[in-house]
Amino acid sequence: EAQVTQNPRYLITVTGKKLTVTCSQNMNHEYMSWYRQDPGLGLRQIYYSMNVEVTDKGDVPEGYKVSRKEKRNFPLILESPSPNQTSLYFCASSLAGGTAPDTQYFGPGTRLTVL
Amino acid sequence: AQSVAQPEDQVNVAEGNPLTVKCTYSVSGNPYLFWYVQYPNRGLQFLLKYITGDNLVKGSYGFEAEFNKSQTSFHLKKPSALVSDSALYFCAVRAFGGYNKLIFGAGTRLAVHP
Repeated sequence: EAQVTQNPRYLITVTGKKLTVTCSQNMNHEYMSWYRQDPGLGLRQIYYSMNVEVTDKGDVPEGYKVSRKEKRNFPLILESPSPNQTSLYFCASSLAGGTAPDTQYFGPGTRLTVL
Repeated sequence: AQSVAQPEDQVNVAEGNPLTVKCTYSVSGNPYLFWYVQYPNRGLQFLLKYITGDNLVKGSYGFEAEFNKSQTSFHLKKPSALVSDSALYFCAVRAFGGYNKLIFGAGTRLAVHP
């Protein structure tokens, strides 16, 4: 089944404890992206990746890191989480990330709580 | 700046009645417009998109959306609502030059009552 998977689905942690949320897609997509969803704000892009080893900042990158060492994986790293990073996180992928309006497909989400 | 507005936080409709979820946008150049649905504890599911051509776009689960360039709107519609349509709906626009970055509205919660 074509899908985007994320792990963990739920995570409660404490301020300052490094964590990684994994994202993997099995559709051979070139483009991957991370969003966070907050009530009343919709989804906002954190980082995106056009292809392996190519990443760039989205609208709200502060406090986050990403890497793209393999085409299928795009982990989100919070090196020192803070309570304002409590949110619902979504990974997404699409066939390409250029000017073509490819549909983005989303993972199931990771609900993160930082105490 | 690109933006999407969903003016209603919640829409209530009786089962069997037509439904409309409103969306207006602001973007430089021609817009690419999308609708996604989020069911409880699930990810976002793609419903439909407008790229070019016919202003009426048909999508999954009987939904359709009408693109109106003069009103910069892309309202989601369904002729007959089902209780199972109850969910959170997001409109999104493709940002010009944004390499497939989607700008999302705040979302509209649709409640369909039996």
